[in-house]
Amino acid sequence: ETGVTQSPTHLIKTRGQQVTLRCSSQSGHNTVSWYQQALGQGPQFIFQYYREEENGRGNFPPRFSGLQFPNYSSELNVNALELDDSALYLCASSFGQGAYGYTFGSGTRLTVV
Amino acid sequence: LAKTTQPISMDSYEGQEVNITCSHNNIATNDYITWYQQFPSQGPRFIIQGYKTKVTNEVASLFIPADRKSSTLSLPRVSLSDTAVYYCLVGDMDTGRRALTFGSGTRLQVQP
Repeated sequence: ETGVTQSPTHLIKTRGQQVTLRCSSQSGHNTVSWYQQALGQGPQFIFQYYREEENGRGNFPPRFSGLQFPNYSSELNVNALELDDSALYLCASSFGQGAYGYTFGSGTRLTVV
Repeated sequence: LAKTTQPISMDSYEGQEVNITCSHNNIATNDYITWYQQFPSQGPRFIIQGYKTKVTNEVASLFIPADRKSSTLSLPRVSLSDTAVYYCLVGDMDTGRRALTFGSGTRLQVQP
């Protein structure tokens, strides 16, 4: 059983650029959620996808968008990057919208300069 | 989204029992309570989840009083490897839409 894998592990972008982060969910999981974790803080919920539909969203602007594919992998896209977007981005997958807990990946460390 | 409050930090010694309490005054009827553990530069790891009363697994117990406005994670006989940040998560388990909020986290330091 493979866990949640995220790519890339580290990324440096310039302010104003766009970035795409990728996540492969754990085998058998049909739900993916994304979180932003700033240094020293708890993860903040961005949004969640269940069977390719967004079914929950946190307090993030529309320049944060996502996709879930038929194989339940997912992408997080961030447009017009700002310095405050520098953070660890975590992907988590589950079966049945989290009823049995979420499995997290190790994250992508994004630095915006 | 249900807001949670936890102690910022706790200290313990190896072999002791550690209890971490999370307050979630505005928990909704459909919300479950989940606890995660996070080590530096890693994603959170699921520990335990419950809805009411008591839940126990091989690593921890979760105590939830009748009003569900708080919960307590109990770690029996902690070791140095339990040094981590512990998060309380309250989520809407209603079908259709889910909202997940992490607490501020409790930094547990276990001393030898």
